[in-house]
Amino acid sequence: KQEVTQIPAALSVPEGENLVLNCSFTDSAIYNLQWFRQDPGKGLTSLLLIQSSQREQTSGRLNASLDKSSGRSTLYIAASQPGDSATYLCAGPHTGNQFYFGTGTSLTVIP
Amino acid sequence: DTAVSQTPKYLVTQMGNDKSIKCEQNLGHDTMYWYKQDSKKFLKIMFSYNNKELIINETVPNRFSPKSPDKAHLNLHINSLELGDSAVYFCASSHADTYSSVQYFGPGTRLTVT
Repeated sequence: KQEVTQIPAALSVPEGENLVLNCSFTDSAIYNLQWFRQDPGKGLTSLLLIQSSQREQTSGRLNASLDKSSGRSTLYIAASQPGDSATYLCAGPHTGNQFYFGTGTSLTVIP
Repeated sequence: DTAVSQTPKYLVTQMGNDKSIKCEQNLGHDTMYWYKQDSKKFLKIMFSYNNKELIINETVPNRFSPKSPDKAHLNLHINSLELGDSAVYFCASSHADTYSSVQYFGPGTRLTVT
């Protein structure tokens, strides 16, 4: 069974800092990995999708990498802003069409 | 325009009741999903469904059943509600299967069982 862990569970940084969120998974047989953000009381918004054949994806200030061999993905946020405050989740489908979410990292960017 | 919508947004009901949550997507996607987010904010997939196949997470009690009247809708029906069913339920959809497509989520339905 796939287990997805995110470290740290919570992170607080001053505005303008660059930061890295980590995601690790136990089974490398994933087809892709997706990063989401969830705002309090809201649904999930997809940020980036990395296919298993890719190493990274970029969207604006966000960069996500995937290393299947080590079972890790990172989400890099450049020049953080208060509007980035949210919970960030990584998720990946495993063989058998089961989709596993990480435990989440709660990010607070302090103005 | 709302891509994935769910109704109701909040649902409070008593133990033993039967309830349904509706989900609709206007993205033309082929596959829809239901997720449960528990009090610890952990998300678990419950079902994935397209017009070919229903895949059920083996941990989901058979009191939960997805019903799809058409490709744009996947409703979640819950029989004999229990206290432990209290959670936020999210519907999602994707263009194809989970292997290659971004999933789009609805706003969630907060279910409280008293």
